[in-house]
Amino acid sequence: AQKVTQAQTEISVVEKEDVTLDCVYETRDTTYYLFWYKQPPSGELVFLIRRNSFDEQNEISGRYSWNFQKSTSSFNFTITASQVVDSAVYFCALWSAGNQFYFGTGTSLTVIP
Amino acid sequence: GAVVSQHPSWVICKSGTSVKIECRSLDFQATTMFWYRQFPKQSLMLMATSNEGSKATYEQGVEKDKFLINHASLTLSTLTVTSAHPEDSSFYICSARDRYEQYFGPGTRLTVT
Repeated sequence: AQKVTQAQTEISVVEKEDVTLDCVYETRDTTYYLFWYKQPPSGELVFLIRRNSFDEQNEISGRYSWNFQKSTSSFNFTITASQVVDSAVYFCALWSAGNQFYFGTGTSLTVIP
Repeated sequence: GAVVSQHPSWVICKSGTSVKIECRSLDFQATTMFWYRQFPKQSLMLMATSNEGSKATYEQGVEKDKFLINHASLTLSTLTVTSAHPEDSSFYICSARDRYEQYFGPGTRLTVT
């Protein structure tokens, strides 16, 4: 069975603090993809990153970084020096050979100025 | 990147009426299209998957006679909510897939009064 767990429902941080959003996934497939999406209040999903199961290298993009660890089935997302514009709901998702996305329940991030 | 559009972006309708939502892939041909529903503060839930020219495959618990899906071409899919009721009020997101990627539309917010 495919499953994505985002245990943190809501997080509040003060601007400029670092914050890590956790994502744990379950799959029996050996080939799969992991995603992070940002959903601001407008509702439109904004693609942030995709990783395939064979690439465990961590990735950094500006203030964003991702830590993929197959040993713990985790794909965590860190925002460094958070800003108010980072306030949104963030979804972690899994896509595998079943040809559909499995979304986590989302983490609502509020950055307080 | 590829663009998926939805129309309308929001709609208000009276209980008992039907409403149609269009989903278009603007610069690619979508072999498969997906419809999701998202209630406030919840995750995206897959409603149905459709391939061009074929009947849609609905997820368990989704009434196919209530949510009519037509995938008439490789660039257009429509979702018609028939005899809408207030409990159908939700954010509907379509997604289109080409051979390699899946792209999400901006969503349609439906309010049934």
